[in-house]
Amino acid sequence: TQLLEQSPQFLSIQEGENLTVYCNSSSVFSSLQWYRQEPGEGPVLLVTVVTGGEVKKLKRLTFQFGDARKDSSLHITAAQPGDTGLYLCAGESNFGNEKLTFGTGTRLTIIP
Amino acid sequence: SAVISQKPSRDICQRGTSLTIQCQVDSQVTMMFWYRQQPGQSLTLIATANQGSEATYESGFVIDKFPISRPNLTFSTLTVSNMSPEDSSIYLCSAAWTATYEQYFGPGTRLTVT
Repeated sequence: TQLLEQSPQFLSIQEGENLTVYCNSSSVFSSLQWYRQEPGEGPVLLVTVVTGGEVKKLKRLTFQFGDARKDSSLHITAAQPGDTGLYLCAGESNFGNEKLTFGTGTRLTIIP
Repeated sequence: SAVISQKPSRDICQRGTSLTIQCQVDSQVTMMFWYRQQPGQSLTLIATANQGSEATYESGFVIDKFPISRPNLTFSTLTVSNMSPEDSSIYLCSAAWTATYEQYFGPGTRLTVT
């Protein structure tokens, strides 16, 4: 069974601060995705990383895929209240299989 | 991307009864999935809904408890049968295309079993 452990599980910080969320596994993934979910809604895809060592930036969000494709991180710069939500990483183990293994989740709260 | 809708958005049901959840996608998709999520927690895959054939269930989930239909490329249903309070959860459907590996989710169905 493949497991994706996220840390921290909960994070509450002041608006304007920076933060990093980690997603770690002992398994190799062909791709890794990050989602954000708000209460009462389904997860919304933020980014997909495919290549080991890949870095993608989405405005204030920076995503990195580990060289060995076993881990990933999400860094948010100058956090805003709109960043509040449940962040989920999800790995695809077999390219093209589309079946995802979801991480344990990080609940982020940005305090105005 | 795709727009995915689910019905009902929420329901309160008595134990022993069954509820069927519908998932509609606004375009044809290759893959559809059903997940379960406890509020504030991660997602657990129940099954892959296969068009024209039986669904593929994950370990711990069986067809008798969670029968799934997928009559075409835009629609699927999940039935939660003989419900117990332990089935109280959020049920989410998602869709994906073969050419990509990104999933798009519906808003979820919040089920409470009393």
